Amino acid sequence: GAGVSQSPRYKVAKRGQDVALRCDPISGHVSLFWYQQALGQGPEFLTYFQNEAQLDKSGLPSDRFFAERPEGSVSTLKIQRTQQEDSAVYLCASSVDRGGVLMNQPQHFGDGTRLSIL
Amino acid sequence: AQTVTQSQPEMSVQEAETVTLSCTYDTSESDYYLFWYKQPPSRQMILVIRQEAYKQQNATENRFSVNFQKAAKSFSLKISDSQLGDAAMYFCAYQSGGGADGLTFGKGTHLIIQP
Repeated sequence: GAGVSQSPRYKVAKRGQDVALRCDPISGHVSLFWYQQALGQGPEFLTYFQNEAQLDKSGLPSDRFFAERPEGSVSTLKIQRTQQEDSAVYLCASSVDRGGVLMNQPQHFGDGTRLSIL
Repeated sequence: AQTVTQSQPEMSVQEAETVTLSCTYDTSESDYYLFWYKQPPSRQMILVIRQEAYKQQNATENRFSVNFQKAAKSFSLKISDSQLGDAAMYFCAYQSGGGADGLTFGKGTHLIIQP
């Protein structure tokens, strides 16, 4: 596809359930980012992948959050034993990575998944 | 850690007029990038404009321009000839100079366009 694709667009789960959110980045984009956006707030960084390597997971709020990108393309963000405070929009972004050389390339965002925990 | 502050939760402007959105940031780095993103109700973050900190010239993209004051750590967005389609949340964002780091966002400014 032409842009970053996220699914599902909406997800409702009961407290304590596990959820999995999918991100399909722009073809050929090496870098992939996950953000969490609470209602009325700006997005907050969760984690970053370069190809299949998770280079930064400093933003993950707890060990209930887990992200993977096993083949360096599609990524999944998993939240175990969900809690009400996990309710938010989860945004995925991808960018071309020139290995830190030359000009920075901007991040392109998907439409996000709105997660509601009841 | 870097911080980004947007002090205007909401701004309103008449169609065809000009509006300026404010953003300040705090960093100890000398090499970084600054962005303005637009987020309509569809939720997709759309890049409006970006500025490399090493460039003194202010970035412009059609009706959108920035006033980048590096010493003051200020990065305001000016929208000229405002259009109804400009109505959205606007987020200022910071990225370290490595280019592969996560963005640090402000809390956003809700822009209302009055017809």
